[in-house]
Amino acid sequence: AQSVTQLDSHVSVSEGTPVLLRCNYSSSYSPSLFWYVQHPNKGLQLLLKYTSAATLVKGINGFEAEFKKSETSFHLTKPSAHMSDAAEYFCVVSDRAGTASKLTFGTGTRLQVTL
Amino acid sequence: DTGVSQDPRHKITKRGQNVTFRCDPISEHNRLYWYRQTLGQGPEFLTYFQNEAQLEKSRLLSDRFSAERPKGSFSTLEIQRTEQGDSAMYLCASSLMGAHTGELFFGEGSRLTVL
Repeated sequence: AQSVTQLDSHVSVSEGTPVLLRCNYSSSYSPSLFWYVQHPNKGLQLLLKYTSAATLVKGINGFEAEFKKSETSFHLTKPSAHMSDAAEYFCVVSDRAGTASKLTFGTGTRLQVTL
Repeated sequence: DTGVSQDPRHKITKRGQNVTFRCDPISEHNRLYWYRQTLGQGPEFLTYFQNEAQLEKSRLLSDRFSAERPKGSFSTLEIQRTEQGDSAMYLCASSLMGAHTGELFFGEGSRLTVL
């Protein structure tokens, strides 16, 4: 069985400062990992994905994440936060040995960006 | 707009009534998924179609829930004899067969409130 744990339910940063959203995963198989973002009243959008290629993954809007197998982590980072980054972020695992595209979502981290 | 569309966006109903949600996926996508999201939680997988075939159902999908995708295009999710615990956001997503697991395109959701 696979699972993800998002270590912070809420993160607040000032505009222009770095963002770190933490995620740890558990999977019986070599996992695929994703970060999705959900802006208010908008659909979930894929930010980036890790699928066993490069361990440092770059996504949209300047976000990136590093897959660390030894730490079972997939933390999301951005060097400089923008007001438009305020949203809910979900770390997601997909068991590649699974039979379908069944994603397991974390409970989410709400990112607040202040002036 | 050629994204995933869901209808209605909001539904308020009384306990015991039946409700139906519709999802229109991106036109060339042959996979369609339903997820449920409750307040403060990440989305939870409900069911999955490839073309018109329902290939997987979560145990969350009690016998009061039924989903169809009769012609492999739009899908409906019906909840019979609604209960207050059914109050949630129901999310639809679609993807292309062959696209990597986890690359889903989500609609904005249908919010159900059961009084």
